[in-house]
Amino acid sequence: AQKVTQAQTEISVVEKEDVTLDCVYETRDTTYYLFWYKQPPSGELVFLIRRNSFDEQNEISGRYSWNFQKSTSSFNFTITASQVVDSAVYFCALPVANAGGTSYGKLTFGQGTILTVHP
Amino acid sequence: NAGVTQTPKFRILKIGQSMTLQCTQDMNHNYMYWYRQDPGMGLKLIYYSVGAGITDKGEVPNGYNVSRSTTEDFPLRLELAAPSQTSVYFCASSYPGQGSTEAFFGQGTRLTVV
Repeated sequence: AQKVTQAQTEISVVEKEDVTLDCVYETRDTTYYLFWYKQPPSGELVFLIRRNSFDEQNEISGRYSWNFQKSTSSFNFTITASQVVDSAVYFCALPVANAGGTSYGKLTFGQGTILTVHP
Repeated sequence: NAGVTQTPKFRILKIGQSMTLQCTQDMNHNYMYWYRQDPGMGLKLIYYSVGAGITDKGEVPNGYNVSRSTTEDFPLRLELAAPSQTSVYFCASSYPGQGSTEAFFGQGTRLTVV
């Protein structure tokens, strides 16, 4: 079954610290995508990244970087030099396929990690 | 471009009452979804639709109904509200593409059943 585990329930850091959010997943699929979403205090969900299982290269976008390791089924997210505006709940997600093998974009989410960045 | 719009943003229902959560998107996306988010939990899929006239159950469909008469609209109906349905509800949409494409979410509806 498809499953996403975010073992860190809450993380608290001081501004400018680096922080890594862990995501471990289980899937029967040989090819798949993984997602990260951010939920700021205002409540909406904001898409951050989509990665294909074919591509294990690290992705960097400004202060954000993602480390995808198929061997350990992990897709970790690092924020460098954290800022107060990074305070949010972060979700890792994995598509869930029907019996026919098509997900139609349906996602299973991890429980989320609450990140608090203190000034 | 409005994206995905949900109404209302907040609602308090009494046990046994009914209501419809509205969702509309202006991106011409085929796929639409309803998720619920309970405190401290990730989102769980209630229902989804792959196009007008086609809907299917997700992980937690009991107590809910949906319809999809147009590409734009995907309302979620609660027939007999129960305290267990107290949650934040998110509507989302996405477009068909290679693999799974990113979903665009509405701002959520916070529902309390008392």
